[in-house]
Amino acid sequence: NAGVTQTPKFRVLKTGQSMTLLCAQDMNHEYMYWYRQDPGMGLRLIHYSVGEGTTAKGEVPDGYNVSRLKKQNFLLGLESAAPSQTSVYFCASSQGTGLRNGSPLHFGNGTRLTVT
Amino acid sequence: AQSVTQLGSHVSVSEGALVLLRCNYSSSVPPYLFWYVQYPNQGLQLLLKYTTGATLVKGINGFEAEFKKSETSFHLTKPSAHMSDAAEYFCAVTYSGSARQLTFGSGTQLTVLP
Repeated sequence: NAGVTQTPKFRVLKTGQSMTLLCAQDMNHEYMYWYRQDPGMGLRLIHYSVGEGTTAKGEVPDGYNVSRLKKQNFLLGLESAAPSQTSVYFCASSQGTGLRNGSPLHFGNGTRLTVT
Repeated sequence: AQSVTQLGSHVSVSEGALVLLRCNYSSSVPPYLFWYVQYPNQGLQLLLKYTTGATLVKGINGFEAEFKKSETSFHLTKPSAHMSDAAEYFCAVTYSGSARQLTFGSGTQLTVLP
Protein backbone atom coordinates (compact mmCIF):
# COMPACT_ATOMS: atom_id res chain seq x y z
CA ASN A 1 0.00 0.00 0.00
CA ALA A 2 2.03 2.96 -1.29
CA GLY A 3 -0.16 5.85 -0.04
CA VAL A 4 1.43 9.15 -1.09
CA THR A 5 4.66 8.96 -3.07
CA GLN A 6 6.90 11.93 -3.80
CA THR A 7 9.71 12.08 -6.34
CA PRO A 8 12.52 12.99 -6.21
CA LYS A 9 13.61 12.65 -2.58
CA PHE A 10 16.50 15.09 -2.90
CA ARG A 11 17.45 17.75 -5.41
CA VAL A 12 20.03 20.51 -5.70
CA LEU A 13 19.33 23.37 -8.10
CA LYS A 14 21.21 26.45 -9.12
CA THR A 15 19.47 29.81 -8.95
CA GLY A 16 17.29 30.29 -12.02
CA GLN A 17 16.91 26.62 -12.86
CA SER A 18 13.51 25.00 -13.08
CA MET A 19 12.17 21.70 -11.84
CA THR A 20 8.98 19.76 -11.20
CA LEU A 21 8.13 17.78 -8.10
CA LEU A 22 5.75 14.88 -8.58
CA CYS A 23 3.22 13.64 -6.08
CA ALA A 24 1.20 10.48 -6.66
CA GLN A 25 -1.48 8.96 -4.42
CA ASP A 26 -3.22 5.62 -4.78
CA MET A 27 -6.08 6.18 -2.30
CA ASN A 28 -8.49 7.80 -4.77
CA HIS A 29 -8.45 10.99 -2.73
CA GLU A 30 -10.08 14.11 -4.15
CA TYR A 31 -8.05 16.68 -2.27
CA MET A 32 -4.31 17.16 -2.65
CA TYR A 33 -1.95 19.72 -1.12
CA TRP A 34 1.61 20.99 -1.36
CA TYR A 35 3.31 22.30 1.78
CA ARG A 36 6.76 23.57 2.52
CA GLN A 37 8.44 23.00 5.87
CA ASP A 38 11.03 25.39 7.22
CA PRO A 39 12.70 25.28 10.65
CA GLY A 40 10.63 26.96 13.33
CA MET A 41 7.78 27.75 10.95
CA GLY A 42 5.79 24.55 10.82
CA LEU A 43 4.17 23.69 7.50
CA ARG A 44 2.86 26.35 5.16
CA LEU A 45 0.40 25.65 2.36
CA ILE A 46 1.65 26.50 -1.13
CA HIS A 47 -1.19 25.32 -3.39
CA TYR A 48 -3.99 22.83 -3.16
CA SER A 49 -6.50 21.04 -5.37
CA VAL A 50 -10.06 19.95 -4.64
CA GLY A 51 -10.30 17.72 -7.70
CA GLU A 52 -8.92 16.81 -11.09
CA GLY A 53 -8.38 19.90 -13.22
CA THR A 54 -8.73 22.37 -10.34
CA THR A 55 -6.08 24.17 -8.31
CA ALA A 56 -6.03 27.07 -5.87
CA LYS A 57 -3.48 29.22 -4.06
CA GLY A 58 -2.51 28.63 -0.47
CA GLU A 59 -0.62 30.76 1.99
CA VAL A 60 2.71 31.06 0.13
CA PRO A 61 2.08 30.52 -3.63
CA ASP A 62 4.55 32.99 -5.14
CA GLY A 63 7.23 31.39 -7.30
CA TYR A 64 5.35 28.10 -7.65
CA ASN A 65 2.87 26.64 -10.11
CA VAL A 66 0.84 23.44 -9.92
CA SER A 67 -1.17 21.15 -12.14
CA ARG A 68 -3.66 18.37 -11.49
CA LEU A 69 -4.28 16.76 -14.87
CA LYS A 70 -5.00 13.36 -13.34
CA LYS A 71 -6.77 12.69 -10.08
CA GLN A 72 -3.90 10.69 -8.67
CA ASN A 73 -1.12 13.17 -9.51
CA PHE A 74 -0.33 16.67 -8.29
CA LEU A 75 2.70 18.42 -9.73
CA LEU A 76 4.57 21.34 -8.18
CA GLY A 77 6.73 23.44 -10.48
CA LEU A 78 9.43 25.98 -9.83
CA GLU A 79 10.03 28.02 -12.98
CA SER A 80 13.05 29.98 -11.76
CA ALA A 81 14.41 28.67 -8.48
CA ALA A 82 15.63 31.07 -5.78
CA PRO A 83 17.64 30.37 -2.61
CA SER A 84 14.53 31.32 -0.59
CA GLN A 85 12.89 28.20 -1.98
CA THR A 86 15.37 25.95 -0.21
CA SER A 87 13.06 23.86 1.93
CA VAL A 88 11.51 20.46 2.47
CA TYR A 89 8.38 20.02 0.38
CA PHE A 90 5.54 17.75 1.43
CA CYS A 91 2.61 16.54 -0.57
CA ALA A 92 -0.55 15.42 1.19
CA SER A 93 -3.97 14.09 0.23
CA SER A 94 -7.31 13.64 1.95
CA GLN A 95 -10.68 11.98 1.36
CA GLY A 96 -13.52 13.27 -0.77
CA THR A 97 -14.74 16.02 1.50
CA GLY A 98 -11.24 17.14 2.39
CA LEU A 99 -10.98 18.80 5.75
CA ARG A 100 -14.66 19.66 5.99
CA ASN A 101 -15.50 16.73 8.23
CA GLY A 102 -12.16 16.46 9.94
CA SER A 103 -10.63 14.03 7.44
CA PRO A 104 -6.93 13.79 8.19
CA LEU A 105 -4.16 14.46 5.73
CA HIS A 106 -1.96 11.63 4.44
CA PHE A 107 1.58 12.84 3.81
CA GLY A 108 4.38 11.74 1.55
CA ASN A 109 7.94 11.48 2.87
CA GLY A 110 9.03 14.80 1.45
CA THR A 111 11.46 16.24 -1.08
CA ARG A 112 14.51 18.05 0.24
CA LEU A 113 15.37 20.87 -2.16
CA THR A 114 18.47 23.04 -1.97
CA VAL A 115 18.87 26.07 -4.22
CA THR A 116 22.39 27.47 -4.43
CA ALA B 1 -8.52 33.86 11.00
CA GLN B 2 -7.14 30.97 12.96
CA SER B 3 -3.77 30.33 14.53
CA VAL B 4 -1.92 27.78 16.61
CA THR B 5 0.72 28.35 19.25
CA GLN B 6 2.89 25.53 20.51
CA LEU B 7 4.68 26.47 23.70
CA GLY B 8 8.24 25.16 23.76
CA SER B 9 10.06 24.35 20.56
CA HIS B 10 12.08 21.70 22.42
CA VAL B 11 10.92 19.48 25.28
CA SER B 12 13.06 16.87 27.04
CA VAL B 13 11.72 14.17 29.33
CA SER B 14 13.20 11.10 30.92
CA GLU B 15 12.08 7.67 29.78
CA GLY B 16 9.03 6.70 31.83
CA ALA B 17 8.13 10.30 32.70
CA LEU B 18 4.98 12.18 31.74
CA VAL B 19 4.94 13.80 28.32
CA LEU B 20 3.08 17.12 28.05
CA LEU B 21 3.16 19.10 24.82
CA ARG B 22 1.21 22.33 24.83
CA CYS B 23 -1.02 23.69 22.09
CA ASN B 24 -3.25 26.74 22.19
CA TYR B 25 -5.42 27.78 19.29
CA SER B 26 -7.33 30.78 18.13
CA SER B 27 -10.43 30.33 16.02
CA SER B 28 -13.56 32.39 15.56
CA VAL B 29 -15.65 29.28 14.94
CA PRO B 30 -15.68 25.80 16.54
CA PRO B 31 -12.39 24.19 15.63
CA TYR B 32 -11.26 20.83 14.43
CA LEU B 33 -7.94 20.05 16.11
CA PHE B 34 -5.20 17.61 15.18
CA TRP B 35 -1.89 16.36 16.46
CA TYR B 36 0.62 15.00 13.98
CA VAL B 37 3.99 13.36 14.61
CA GLN B 38 7.00 13.49 12.33
CA TYR B 39 9.88 11.05 12.63
CA PRO B 40 13.23 11.92 11.02
CA ASN B 41 13.17 11.97 7.22
CA GLN B 42 9.49 11.08 7.10
CA GLY B 43 6.23 12.82 6.47
CA LEU B 44 3.69 13.67 9.15
CA GLN B 45 1.44 10.99 10.60
CA LEU B 46 -1.86 11.60 12.36
CA LEU B 47 -1.73 10.93 16.11
CA LEU B 48 -5.26 11.97 17.00
CA LYS B 49 -7.99 14.46 16.20
CA TYR B 50 -10.90 16.25 17.77
CA THR B 51 -13.92 17.25 15.72
CA THR B 52 -17.02 17.03 17.90
CA GLY B 53 -18.24 14.99 20.86
CA ALA B 54 -16.04 13.71 23.65
CA THR B 55 -13.41 16.27 24.58
CA LEU B 56 -10.82 13.69 25.64
CA VAL B 57 -9.53 11.93 22.56
CA LYS B 58 -7.19 8.99 22.44
CA GLY B 59 -4.72 8.38 19.70
CA ILE B 60 -2.07 5.96 18.65
CA ASN B 61 0.96 4.96 20.72
CA GLY B 62 -0.72 5.80 24.04
CA PHE B 63 -1.14 9.53 23.40
CA GLU B 64 -4.24 11.48 24.27
CA ALA B 65 -5.36 15.09 24.18
CA GLU B 66 -8.13 17.06 25.80
CA PHE B 67 -10.04 19.85 24.10
CA LYS B 68 -10.68 22.66 26.58
CA LYS B 69 -12.79 25.34 25.00
CA SER B 70 -12.56 27.71 27.97
CA GLU B 71 -8.77 27.61 27.80
CA THR B 72 -8.58 27.35 23.98
CA SER B 73 -6.15 24.50 24.47
CA PHE B 74 -5.53 21.05 23.07
CA HIS B 75 -2.52 19.73 24.99
CA LEU B 76 -1.01 16.37 24.12
CA THR B 77 -0.09 13.95 26.91
CA LYS B 78 1.30 10.49 27.43
CA PRO B 79 1.68 9.00 30.92
CA SER B 80 5.03 7.30 30.34
CA ALA B 81 7.53 8.32 27.68
CA HIS B 82 9.30 5.74 25.57
CA MET B 83 12.50 6.20 23.62
CA SER B 84 10.55 5.63 20.41
CA ASP B 85 8.45 8.75 21.14
CA ALA B 86 11.37 11.01 20.23
CA ALA B 87 10.11 12.99 17.23
CA GLU B 88 8.67 16.35 16.25
CA TYR B 89 5.04 17.00 17.07
CA PHE B 90 2.74 19.42 15.32
CA CYS B 91 -0.61 20.77 16.44
CA ALA B 92 -2.98 21.92 13.70
CA VAL B 93 -6.39 23.56 13.52
CA THR B 94 -9.11 23.93 10.95
CA TYR B 95 -12.86 24.33 11.09
CA SER B 96 -15.98 22.77 9.61
CA GLY B 97 -16.55 23.99 6.09
CA SER B 98 -12.91 24.68 5.34
CA ALA B 99 -11.38 23.00 2.31
CA ARG B 100 -7.88 24.18 2.86
CA GLN B 101 -7.26 26.14 5.98
CA LEU B 102 -5.35 23.63 8.07
CA THR B 103 -3.03 25.85 10.08
CA PHE B 104 -0.03 24.21 11.68
CA GLY B 105 1.89 25.22 14.75
CA SER B 106 5.65 25.62 14.55
CA GLY B 107 6.29 22.23 16.09
CA THR B 108 7.79 20.81 19.30
CA GLN B 109 10.83 18.56 19.19
CA LEU B 110 10.53 15.89 21.88
CA THR B 111 13.71 14.32 23.22
CA VAL B 112 13.49 11.28 25.49
CA LEU B 113 16.46 10.78 27.79
CA PRO B 114 17.47 7.31 28.98
